[in-house]
This record gives sequence, structure tokens and C-alpha cells, in this order.
Amino acid sequence: GQQLNQSPQSMFIQEGEDVSMNCTSSSIFNTWLWYKQDPGEGPVLLIALYKAGELTSNGRLTAQFGITRKDSFLNISASIPSDVGIYFCAGGPMKNNNNDMRFGAGTRLTVKP
Amino acid sequence: DAGITQSPRHKVTETGTPVTLRCHQTENHRYMYWYRQDPGHGLRLIHYSYGVKDTDKGEVSDGYSVSRSKTEDFLLTLESATSSQTSVYFCAISELTSGGAGEQFFGPGTRLTVL
Repeated sequence: GQQLNQSPQSMFIQEGEDVSMNCTSSSIFNTWLWYKQDPGEGPVLLIALYKAGELTSNGRLTAQFGITRKDSFLNISASIPSDVGIYFCAGGPMKNNNNDMRFGAGTRLTVKP
Repeated sequence: DAGITQSPRHKVTETGTPVTLRCHQTENHRYMYWYRQDPGHGLRLIHYSYGVKDTDKGEVSDGYSVSRSKTEDFLLTLESATSSQTSVYFCAISELTSGGAGEQFFGPGTRLTVL
């Protein structure tokens, strides 16, 4: 099936540092989404991107839709302990008008106080 | 938070038994999805629905069936559970937007263990 390559798989950083993670695909997507998942809970949407080249911010989070439409990155500035969790990218739709998204394997973020 | 509930939240069952998981939404969204989440694989789509009685297969549909008789409910059935179906199952909902694909909102998950 379609593959989304998300990297890095895990990150260990100090509180206050900036974080960058990305997703790449061999397919062109019209939408890129970024989610965060806390232990025992479902993923929560952070940022949605709909246009190639689009750069969108949500507080300390910034995400960009790659100009080729095959990649996206997420940056977190000045990390804090509550940023700990697993971050997922999603691209799609896989078929027209069905909202079927494909998810990356996730980046596990650990923030040391 | 989107109004999505899943039941049960935890279940332990034996190999060969049937299992049904329920997803209920109060958002009146058209699309509903069932995913499974396993370490190293992220979220993989099992089945989805694009309307009442309209469903289609995802990338890992073998061994699963779904039904949607009402807009608000989407059921996932394992006809004969196997140990490989031990996983965390998430339901999601979405709606089309004028820009195309809409955001998916997830339920809290069901942890299923098949012994």
C-alpha cells in the first residue's frame, strides 16, 4: 500500500529546545494533517494544510505543506514537558471524495525537564 | 472535542469468538472510519463508510466486517477473532469541506486482547 515515511522515529530533547519532524511520500497529496497522541487516548488534530507551499502556525507549532505536495514538516519551538507524546502525519485523500487518509508511523517525542 | 464515543473501551476475548466494537457520533458527519494501531505501523485503515449502508474496504480489511445502519453508528465485527487482531482500535469521523478532504477526528480507542 501507499507509504508515508515519517522521521525521526523518536526524539529525546531538553526542555526549551526546538523540534523538527517530517513526512515524505511517493504520492502527491491534496491534504496534510498533523496529530498528537497522548498515552491511552486517540490522536488529536494539531494542524491541517490544504495548499502546496502553505505554512500554518498554531501557537508554538508550525507546519508546512511541501511545494511538491509529497512532503510536510512540523516544527515545535521552545518545547515544554507537555509536548511529550507521539506525533503523526497524515496525507490524503487516497481516493477522490472519500477523505481516506494515510498515516505515518509516528515520531515519539520525549522532553527532559 | 468532537462527539465520538467507542464501546467497549477494553475487551479481552478468546480466539475464535465473535467480537463487535461500536462507534457512536453526535456530529452528524458523513464519513466514519475504523483503524487499528500497532507499534511501528501507525494507524492503518480497516474499513470506512461514506454514508448509511455505504462502506468500503481499507488496507487491512481481511477478517473484519462493518455495518452502518444509522448515520451515528458504525460497527466493526470480528467474525472469529484471532491473536493477530490484538490491537488498539480507533474510530474516526470526518466531513468534506469546500477545500476537499476534511480533517478526521478520533474517538478514545478500544483496546482488544485476543487470547
